[in-house]
Amino acid sequence: KAGVTQTPRYLIKTRGQQVTLSCSPISGHRSVSWYQQTPGQGLQFLFEYFSETQRNKGNFPGRFSGRQFSNSRSEMNVSTLELGDSALYLCASSPSTQQETQYFGPGTRLLVL
Amino acid sequence: GQQLNQSPQSMFIQEGEDVSMNCTSSSIFNTWLWYKQDPGEGPVLLIALYKAGELTSNGRLTAQFGITRKDSFLNISASIPSDVGIYFCAGRGAGSYQLTFGKGTKLSVIP
Repeated sequence: KAGVTQTPRYLIKTRGQQVTLSCSPISGHRSVSWYQQTPGQGLQFLFEYFSETQRNKGNFPGRFSGRQFSNSRSEMNVSTLELGDSALYLCASSPSTQQETQYFGPGTRLLVL
Repeated sequence: GQQLNQSPQSMFIQEGEDVSMNCTSSSIFNTWLWYKQDPGEGPVLLIALYKAGELTSNGRLTAQFGITRKDSFLNISASIPSDVGIYFCAGRGAGSYQLTFGKGTKLSVIP
């Protein structure tokens, strides 16, 4: 079974721009969660989607948004990028909304200049 | 919110030595997960624990769900160079959908 895939793997943007990241979960998994990972803050939960609905949301500003499609693929969007948004963005999938076992993708490394 | 304290932050060990790291939580968890992350990659699930007192092994790795349900530990026996990486614990409290992650333990193995 193929693992979680994320595209692109690397991205460079400038302040004020917006960015869209994509995640394809493991086949059959319906829950997709997004995390931001930085050296200082560690892994921080952004949001979780299940059946095209956002079920949980972390403490991030409204500039961070996401959506999930009927095939469970998910996208994350960050608008009006700030320098502090530079991070590794990780997507994780699990079979259900319980998040009991999550499987991570390789991440998208975003650099904001 | 829930807090996870993972220790130690970093470790340097000789190849062949055993390693132990742990996580403690400020509240009761009903799920503990241990992940390993290599540079430039996403975390890879090592062991999942769902029951207080549960002890689970995966090759040279052993993890336990503490009886108090507020802690978990991971042991690595006979370490090898490819064990190098950052190990994360993650937990989920009863009634919560959200996983909380520790800050990680960075393991270095000296050949």
